[in-house]
Amino acid sequence: DQQVKQNSPSLSVQEGRISILNCDYTNSMFDYFLWYKKYPAEGPTFLISISSIKDKNEDGRFTVFLNKSAKHLSLHIVPSQPGDSAVYFCAASVRGGSEKLVFGKGTKLTVNP
Amino acid sequence: DAEITQSPRHKITETGRQVTLACHQTWNHNNMFWYRQDLGHGLRLIHYSYGVQDTNKGEVSDGYSVSRSNTEDLPLTLESAASSQTSVYFCASSESGGGARNEQFFGPGTRLTVL
Repeated sequence: DQQVKQNSPSLSVQEGRISILNCDYTNSMFDYFLWYKKYPAEGPTFLISISSIKDKNEDGRFTVFLNKSAKHLSLHIVPSQPGDSAVYFCAASVRGGSEKLVFGKGTKLTVNP
Repeated sequence: DAEITQSPRHKITETGRQVTLACHQTWNHNNMFWYRQDLGHGLRLIHYSYGVQDTNKGEVSDGYSVSRSNTEDLPLTLESAASSQTSVYFCASSESGGGARNEQFFGPGTRLTVL
């Protein structure tokens, strides 16, 4: 049973446009969500996170939106740059719980010059 | 600077052999995790540890074991390597203490091929 779902395996956008990566979750106990970025032959690196008490968190070109009623979050990248081309993983956890992260399968973003 | 390292970065072994992948972190984190990444599956948790002498099974723990004798290291052992264990393995660590962000810091990965 997949608790964190990224239904789009890949996404292609033009440089300068907006990239929107989506993530859905099923476990209502999740209260903290993270996005990781992964380049080939490297480990994932933390990008941005959001607590369930918020519905938006912004960091430069990256914004994460959380819709708790829909159990849905999205990562917006504006403007997209070729260096953003990577695999993006959505992850969820229960703070104060087991401290494990549950990851989605990832979305491969390609930003074309 | 604190870091997390994995060795070897690449390993080729034969079916049935015992293999140990090393993970070393200098963050002084209590929590350490092992994942495998496979196409179509994302990152799946193999084993994890919340401190010295503590180990726990993740969702895909069959055929793997870990031991935690100090804070810095969590080696992953494949007791008898199988072709299904060909994968990229990532080690990660995080702070403990509930209320933390649960952000995990990942190593660079080990690509393991079992022939």
